[in-house]
Amino acid sequence: EAQVTQNPRYLITVTGKKLTVTCSQNMNHEYMSWYRQDPGLGLRQIYYSMNVEVTDKGDVPEGYKVSRKEKRNFPLILESPSPNQTSLYFCASSPRSAGGINEQFFGPGTRLTVL
Amino acid sequence: AQSVTQLGSHVSVSEGALVLLRCNYSSSVPPYLFWYVQYPNQGLQLLLKYTSAATLVKGINGFEAEFKKSETSFHLTKPSAHMSDAAEYFCAVSDQGGGYNKLIFGAGTRLAVHP
Repeated sequence: EAQVTQNPRYLITVTGKKLTVTCSQNMNHEYMSWYRQDPGLGLRQIYYSMNVEVTDKGDVPEGYKVSRKEKRNFPLILESPSPNQTSLYFCASSPRSAGGINEQFFGPGTRLTVL
Repeated sequence: AQSVTQLGSHVSVSEGALVLLRCNYSSSVPPYLFWYVQYPNQGLQLLLKYTSAATLVKGINGFEAEFKKSETSFHLTKPSAHMSDAAEYFCAVSDQGGGYNKLIFGAGTRLAVHP
C-alpha cells in the first residue's frame, strides 16, 4: 500500500530534550515536506526537500532541523524543544512535476507536546 | 505571493442540507488549487484539484468546486450533507516559485453535520 508513515504518533517531552520524528514514504517520491498545524493557522511548511541531500527552509524553520540521506526518509529533528513547538506535525511527499500540479500525500500526523 | 482565505472557521449544517465552504485565493499567476479533508485523528486527504482544465471540478464523496477567476474563488460544495462529512477542510494554492511547488494552506473550516 502506497503510504507515508510517521513515528511516533504521539509524544510528550520536556523542554530541551532532543527528539526526532521519523517520516518514510514508499512511493519513490522526490519531494518531501514537513508541516505544522496549529488552530486558526492551517498548515505551515517547516522544511522541504527536493531530493536526496537537497533541503531548504519553509516558512517556519526556526528550532527545527531535517536531513535527507535516503530518498524514502525525511526525519524532523528538534535539538532543544520548547513549549511553542507543541503542535501537530505532518510529513508529506509528492512526485516531481513539471507543470506545478503538486498533489501531496500526507502522513497520519504526530502530536507533540513539549512541557 | 500566493495566499488563501477561508471564510468561516466553523460551519454547521443539517444532514441532507447543502454544504458550501468558501475559499478565496490570491495569486499573481494562474493558480493550481486544491481542497483537502482531514478526518479526526487522520492526515489530510485530497478531495479535488483544479489544474486549469475544466472550471467545475468534481472530487470524491460527492464534493465539487468551481473555479471563478473573476471572483478569485474556489468554493467547495456538496448538494446533500452526510454525517460522515463532518471533518476539517483545507483549501490550498500551489506556490509555483523557487523550483518547488509548495502548497499554501488556508486556516481551515471545520464542518459539523447534525441530524
